[in-house]
Amino acid sequence: AQSVTQLGSHVSVSEGALVLLRCNYSSSVPPYLFWYVQYPNQGLQLLLKYTSAATLVKGINGFEAEFKKSETSFHLTKPSAHMSDAAEYFCAVSDNGSSNTGKLIFGQGTTLQVKP
Amino acid sequence: SQTIHQWPATLVQPVGSPLSLECTVEGTSNPNLYWYRQAAGRGLQLLFYSVGIGQISSEVPQNLSASRPQDRQFILSSKKLLLSDSGFYLCAWSALSTDTQYFGPGTRLTVL
Repeated sequence: AQSVTQLGSHVSVSEGALVLLRCNYSSSVPPYLFWYVQYPNQGLQLLLKYTSAATLVKGINGFEAEFKKSETSFHLTKPSAHMSDAAEYFCAVSDNGSSNTGKLIFGQGTTLQVKP
Repeated sequence: SQTIHQWPATLVQPVGSPLSLECTVEGTSNPNLYWYRQAAGRGLQLLFYSVGIGQISSEVPQNLSASRPQDRQFILSSKKLLLSDSGFYLCAWSALSTDTQYFGPGTRLTVL
């Protein structure tokens, strides 16, 4: 069965510093992987997705993630944090065991705090 | 382009009262539809999903139910709300051919 683990429920960085949010997955088949961002009292917004093309995926707002099969990881990075990046971030993997349902398995989320 | 709507945006209900939350999608046909709940300080919990009209799958047994009376309409209901039903309810859709889910703005439900 597919699963997702996000290491660190809270991450705090200074403005301008590197952002690194960690995600490890477990999947019995080649996965589709996603990162979503959620601002307070809003729905989730897709940041980027990996669908077996290039292993380095670029998303919106300057974020990118690298798929590493050997490490079963899909960590999210951004070279320089902005105050506006403060939000909750969710990693997700497609539930390939349920074909055609489009179900995703979400991690527990990581809250990113950006300090001035 | 596709859009997803949820209403109401916020709701305060007494324990034991009924619930109806609505979600509609525009600009696409035959979407997969999903209801999630976020309790305070917790992650996303998938409640129901639907791959077609009248086809509802429940992920978690509870006092909630879902219905899909039209292709692009998804309703979350309860006959009697519990305190534990409080949370942020999110609706999402995906196209049949992809796994990418797109989320609505959410409904904040407080049960008192």
